[in-house]
Amino acid sequence: NAGVTQTPKFRILKIGQSMTLQCAQDMNHNYMYWYRQDPGMGLKLIYYSVGAGITDKGEVPNGYNVSRSTTEDFPLRLELAAPSQTSVYFCASSYSAGGTYGYTFGSGTRLTVV
Amino acid sequence: DQQVKQNSPSLSVQEGRISILNCDYTNSMFDYFLWYKKYPAEGPTFLISISSIKDKNEDGRFTVFLNKSAKHLSLHIVPSQPGDSAVYFCAARAKSYGSGNTGKLIFGQGTTLQVKP
Repeated sequence: NAGVTQTPKFRILKIGQSMTLQCAQDMNHNYMYWYRQDPGMGLKLIYYSVGAGITDKGEVPNGYNVSRSTTEDFPLRLELAAPSQTSVYFCASSYSAGGTYGYTFGSGTRLTVV
Repeated sequence: DQQVKQNSPSLSVQEGRISILNCDYTNSMFDYFLWYKKYPAEGPTFLISISSIKDKNEDGRFTVFLNKSAKHLSLHIVPSQPGDSAVYFCAARAKSYGSGNTGKLIFGQGTTLQVKP
């Protein structure tokens, strides 16, 4: 039972480059989320999806894009990377829309933009 | 504006004693509150949740208390163990009306708990 799988675990990008952070879950959860965590801060929501084909912006969506073509996959795209996007990125999924059973998180992608 | 706040960045407790982690919120429109635990280089792990219609929920060594009038919740860990040393995040889910809940959570900044043997 893999849960939520994120790849890559680490990445260094140069300013202006682009990349896609991959996220896949095998629990058949409809709800999926992307958060970022900056040092000493809580997690901030970037984008979320309540089901395949449906996505919406969270609190800090600028510089990012997502797609949700299947229930399992929810990739996060960074276009024109900037130093402000240096962070740890967590993908999560939920059966209960974050209520009684919370989210299942992946292990994170540590991204550095130089 | 920080809607969910954890005002203590760190807490140190002796093994076997009680750990109390605190969280304050400013928005009355939250319907669920949750606690997560995070070890270094791992994703957060769900610990326990409480509905806004309850004032206490217990799961083994973990108990969450909710004081709605004070807009305050706390996580009690009894007895504390060295393996409990981690960062603890509280989170809150906003109520949704109409087409269903989105499940968006707002997180506090985290409290680092150290349990000394």
